[in-house]
Amino acid sequence: TQLLEQSPQFLSIQEGENLTVYCNSSSVFSSLQWYRQEPGEGPVLLVTVVTGGEVKKLKRLTFQFGDARKDSSLHITAAQPGDTGLYLCAGDHFSGAGSYQLTFGKGTKLSVIP
Amino acid sequence: GAGVSQSPSNKVTEKGKDVELRCDPISGHTALYWYRQSLGQGLEFLIYFQGNSAPDKSGLPSDRFSAERTGGSVSTLTIQRTQQEDSAVYLCASSPRGVDRPNQPQHFGDGTRLSIL
Repeated sequence: TQLLEQSPQFLSIQEGENLTVYCNSSSVFSSLQWYRQEPGEGPVLLVTVVTGGEVKKLKRLTFQFGDARKDSSLHITAAQPGDTGLYLCAGDHFSGAGSYQLTFGKGTKLSVIP
Repeated sequence: GAGVSQSPSNKVTEKGKDVELRCDPISGHTALYWYRQSLGQGLEFLIYFQGNSAPDKSGLPSDRFSAERTGGSVSTLTIQRTQQEDSAVYLCASSPRGVDRPNQPQHFGDGTRLSIL
């Protein structure tokens, strides 16, 4: 069973602060995907990291994949109220049923206060 | 439309009734997934369809849950004899992925919010 531990579960910060969300596992993943979900909507893909040690930047968001491809982090610089939402990490792995599937973390609910 | 479409967007029903949830995936996507999401939580995998292969039903929580995918496109998730603990948002996603194509993103619909009274 592939498990992803995501932390923190809740995060409330002031506008302009920095934050980091962590996603950890004892399992190796072929890739790690990060999604953002707003109330009443489905998750939307932000980024996919594939190579161990890979770092990707998306404006103020920086994503990192651990060297061993077991963990990942999302760092937001100078958070803005528009960053508010539920952030989900998902690990891609070959399942016992013979296909690639995603295992999702429980999510980090971020609130950025103006 | 260009995205994944789910209907109804909201469903309220009485305990013990059967419900059917529908998902229209993105045209051409061979993979289709159903997930359940409790309030503000992560996604719980339910079932996965890939082309004409037998579905992976390993995530279905009980035999009251079933799903079909007709013609490799539209899918319906059926919950029989609903219980209050079935209340959740049911999300559908499609992907162009195949067995030999890892690292493909999933495209989600906006979900069906199911409330069991």
